[in-house]
Amino acid sequence: KQEVTQIPAALSVPEGENLVLNCSFTDSAIYNLQWFRQDPGKGLTSLLLIQSSQREQTSGRLNASLDKSSGRSTLYIAASQPGDSATYLCAVRGGSYIPTFGRGTSLIVHP
Amino acid sequence: ETGVTQSPTHLIKTRGQQVTLRCSSQSGHNTVSWYQQALGQGPQFIFQYYREEENGRGNFPPRFSGLQFPNYSSELNVNALELDDSALYLCASSLFQREDFLTTETQYFGPGTRLLVL
Repeated sequence: KQEVTQIPAALSVPEGENLVLNCSFTDSAIYNLQWFRQDPGKGLTSLLLIQSSQREQTSGRLNASLDKSSGRSTLYIAASQPGDSATYLCAVRGGSYIPTFGRGTSLIVHP
Repeated sequence: ETGVTQSPTHLIKTRGQQVTLRCSSQSGHNTVSWYQQALGQGPQFIFQYYREEENGRGNFPPRFSGLQFPNYSSELNVNALELDDSALYLCASSLFQREDFLTTETQYFGPGTRLLVL
């Protein structure tokens, strides 16, 4: 059974810092990994999707990497802003094609 | 805005009742998935519908059922509600572009329906 762990569970940083959020998964036989952002009480917004054959994806200040062999992905946020405050979730699609989510990292960026 | 809408936004039910939640997919999408998200947890996959047929199911009992309509809107039905069914219910639509499901699709989520069971 696939298990997804996200570290840290919570993070509070001053504006302008570069951040790294971690996601690890137990079964490396995956199709893809997706990072999402969730604002309080709201739905999820897709940030980046990495296919199993890819090593990284970039969008603006966000960069996500994937190391399938070690079962890890990182989301790098450059020059953080207060508007980045949200919960960040990663989800892995494995052999059964059922997506498995982590519990998320709750991020607060204060001015 | 993802173009995925859900109704109602909030709902209060009592134990034992039945509930129907609705989702309207983004235009052009042919697949819808439903998730349950308890407070402080990540979303848990309930099931997925592709072209009106269920093609994947998570670890949820049969009292959780669904429908997908020809216009790709969808319903989630939950019978015999239990207190633990209280959660945020999310639907997500996507476009499967390959019949073998080795897809590159991105899921687009709706805002969710918050269900409280008393």
